[in-house]
Amino acid sequence: GAGVSQSPSNKVTEKGKDVELRCDPISGHTALYWYRQSLGQGLEFLIYFQGNSAPDKSGLPSDRFSAERTGGSVSTLTIQRTQQEDSAVYLCASSLGGSSRSNEQFFGPGTRLTVL
Amino acid sequence: AQSVSQHNHHVILSEAASLELGCNYSYGGTVNLFWYVQYPGQHLQLLLKYFSGDPLVKGIKGFEAEFIKSKFSFNLRKPSVQWSDTAEYFCAVTLYSSASKIIFGSGTRLSIRP
Repeated sequence: GAGVSQSPSNKVTEKGKDVELRCDPISGHTALYWYRQSLGQGLEFLIYFQGNSAPDKSGLPSDRFSAERTGGSVSTLTIQRTQQEDSAVYLCASSLGGSSRSNEQFFGPGTRLTVL
Repeated sequence: AQSVSQHNHHVILSEAASLELGCNYSYGGTVNLFWYVQYPGQHLQLLLKYFSGDPLVKGIKGFEAEFIKSKFSFNLRKPSVQWSDTAEYFCAVTLYSSASKIIFGSGTRLSIRP
């Protein structure tokens, strides 16, 4: 596709439920990132995938959060036993990867998660 | 830990006013610097970037930013703003040696009065 796509665009769930958020990166981009944007705050890095390397999970806030990337393309961010503080916009980005000079990131429209 | 500071949380200007948004980062090594913009209802998009060379970089829509290494700053400027510049602006840094994560500032909301 022309850009990074994410689904769903909005997700409302009840506290304690699990949710899955999907990201389709730009074709050919080997690097994929997840961020969280909370109301009134900046973007918080969550996780980074680069090719077949082990992901950088240093930003995941708790073990309720996990992500995988299948076939080096689509990624799913899973939040188990959601809490109200998980409410935020979850942004996915992709980049060509491979070297620091090509790490311009292109962002998707985000998934707005609301935990009731 | 590396961090990015944007001291102006909300800036309100009239059309045709000049703009300068501050950005400071804390990292002693070589960095790549970015400004991203998020227009209302739209997703983040790159405004401009600095990798190396001329510390004055020009981006889209008449924006520019100057990298001052001694001050660890990368302030965003525009000589004459328009109503359509109303948006949220994020400064960001990546470590030159790492292609992993972007560290974002908390953002500055810019409101332009018509």
